[in-house]
Amino acid sequence: DTAVSQTPKYLVTQMGNDKSIKCEQNLGHDTMYWYKQDSKKFLKIMFSYNNKELIINETVPNRFSPKSPDKAHLNLHINSLELGDSAVYFCASSQGGPGTFGSGTRLTVV
Amino acid sequence: AQSVTQLDSQVPVFEEAPVELRCNYSSSVSVYLFWYVQYPNQGLQLLLKYLSGSTLVKGINGFEAEFNKSQTSFHLRKPSVHISDTAEYFCAVSRDNFNKFYFGSGTKLNVKP
Repeated sequence: DTAVSQTPKYLVTQMGNDKSIKCEQNLGHDTMYWYKQDSKKFLKIMFSYNNKELIINETVPNRFSPKSPDKAHLNLHINSLELGDSAVYFCASSQGGPGTFGSGTRLTVV
Repeated sequence: AQSVTQLDSQVPVFEEAPVELRCNYSSSVSVYLFWYVQYPNQGLQLLLKYLSGSTLVKGINGFEAEFNKSQTSFHLRKPSVHISDTAEYFCAVSRDNFNKFYFGSGTKLNVKP
């Protein structure tokens, strides 16, 4: 069983479209995160949720809207996609310790 | 605020040689420290962590790291690398609430035969 699973693994879409990435963890963790890894491999946190509540929003454009229907899920919806949104997006979860990461979603905006 | 500096963007090394990947952090408060490995086209896998206790931490795949508070460093070492260790390595810090992890820019370890 995959601990943190993200879908889709790859996403190619046109500028201006709206898309969603889903994340689910089966570890029973209270905290979930979204990270963005750019083309230079730099990892930056976007959002952090604890028990379905947003606790960290790192000045991400409001075109990005996370949603946590329950503490095992944290989805990321992106409106009006731009070329600069192309990156690998990682979901992670944690329970008072090191994060467990998903395998990433490679988003390419054309 | 925390920041993490990985001084070497790339480290080439021959198989069976020792390696050290450097990581320095800046923080005005106590932090927890981690090393992650990312193999090509994969997610991040935890190598080891320092939360408290002994400053020498052993992780998976024969890696270890030493927390040095006075030098604010957490360098990763392996006495003898394998081809399969070729990957990107990330140092990360977090504070006591683990609300977020700050990552370094990564070090690409390239093990040559």
